[in-house]
Amino acid sequence: DAGVIQSPRHEVTEMGQEVTLRCKPISGHDYLFWYRQTMMRGLELLIYFNNNVPIDDSGMPEDRFSAKMPNASFSTLKIQPSEPRDSAVYFCASSLYPVLDTGELFFGEGSRLTVL
Amino acid sequence: DAKTTQPNSMESNEEEPVHLPCNHSTISGTDYIHWYRQLPSQGPEYVIHGLTSNVNNRMASLAIAEDRKSSTLILHRATLRDAAVYYCILREPSNTGKLIFGQGTTLQVKP
Repeated sequence: DAGVIQSPRHEVTEMGQEVTLRCKPISGHDYLFWYRQTMMRGLELLIYFNNNVPIDDSGMPEDRFSAKMPNASFSTLKIQPSEPRDSAVYFCASSLYPVLDTGELFFGEGSRLTVL
Repeated sequence: DAKTTQPNSMESNEEEPVHLPCNHSTISGTDYIHWYRQLPSQGPEYVIHGLTSNVNNRMASLAIAEDRKSSTLILHRATLRDAAVYYCILREPSNTGKLIFGQGTTLQVKP
């Protein structure tokens, strides 16, 4: 399996523009997670899905952020409008079972976002 | 989620064992202990997890104190590739989805 695939790997945009980050989880995994990583705040969980349904979005910073999972093989994280403080590396991760059972989340390589 | 405390950084020499400590004095009886690591410019990767007994896998060993208030990740022979940030995380069994990462320990491996 190719692992969790994220795109784009790098994105540079200007403040106010819409940004869409994409994630393809490992086939057969039914949990999908979006994390954000910055130097100041470390790795933060934004939202996670089970069987395409959002379970916990309490980490989503504000209404400018939205995430969808239209099917089992695709998820998007959208920021509209983007702001410089959104600059971070965004990671997508997936797992086959609840993390408790296997202990293992599989992470993608991340999307590095820079908002000017 | 219960809190963990790890040293900010540690150094090791190549080919030597490394013991990475983690304190979790507020751990509950049903919290699992998970370790992940993050290599430079990569996403985190799973290392090992356990509940009460010591655990071994191909990557590392996890030693859990009898009172479970601390644990130690053991890399038996450090290589340069083991230089990474190591995260110790507690998971409640009722929390089926989330992993909450702390600041972790940055491990430097010297040749």
